Amino acid sequence: GAGVSQSPRYKVAKRGQDVALRCDPISGHVSLFWYQQALGQGPEFLTYFQNEAQLDKSGLPSDRFFAERPEGSVSTLKIQRTQQEDSAVYLCASRINRRIPYNEQFFGPGTRLTVL
Amino acid sequence: KQEVTQIPAALSVPEGENLVLNCSFTDSAIYNLQWFRQDPGKGLTSLLLIQSSQREQTSGRLNASLDKSSGRSTLYIAASQPGDSATYLCAVNAGNQFYFGTGTSLTVIP
Repeated sequence: GAGVSQSPRYKVAKRGQDVALRCDPISGHVSLFWYQQALGQGPEFLTYFQNEAQLDKSGLPSDRFFAERPEGSVSTLKIQRTQQEDSAVYLCASRINRRIPYNEQFFGPGTRLTVL
Repeated sequence: KQEVTQIPAALSVPEGENLVLNCSFTDSAIYNLQWFRQDPGKGLTSLLLIQSSQREQTSGRLNASLDKSSGRSTLYIAASQPGDSATYLCAVNAGNQFYFGTGTSLTVIP
């Protein structure tokens, strides 16, 4: 496809379970971002990759959150021992080239995580 | 830390009206500002991107302005239509971090 895709679209987890959320960026896009969007709020930055390198993870809320992009394409956001406060929509965005900061971001449809 | 505020939080207008959405940010050191639309349960669709050196951008019925020195941007929607109903978000690019406002929920009444 031409856009950013994310899977699953919806995920229900019991508190304490581990979850893995997948993002497929637009082909050729160097930069990849993860955001967390709570209900009624704007997205909050979690982490940023340039190719396979995670250059900024300052937004990850705890050490239960882990993101990787081992081959510089698909990325996975993993949340261990999920808590109810992790319930949110997790958005992925990609951008063509970090060295040109003017490029716009393209977002995927998000994964809605509900922790019971 | 950059703080982004959007006013109003919600807006309801009759079809055909022109309207303005506001976005303000606290740190003027930005690369660009991007306006998005978000439909319920969906991701973000990019509407307009304004570089820090630009004053405005236009796309169809949409016009976005940027006054970097005062930390303000506006999104002008002309001749609103029911299909414009959505939440509109602005995002400030301050390097490799993007800071979002909480959005304006727009309802256009037929």
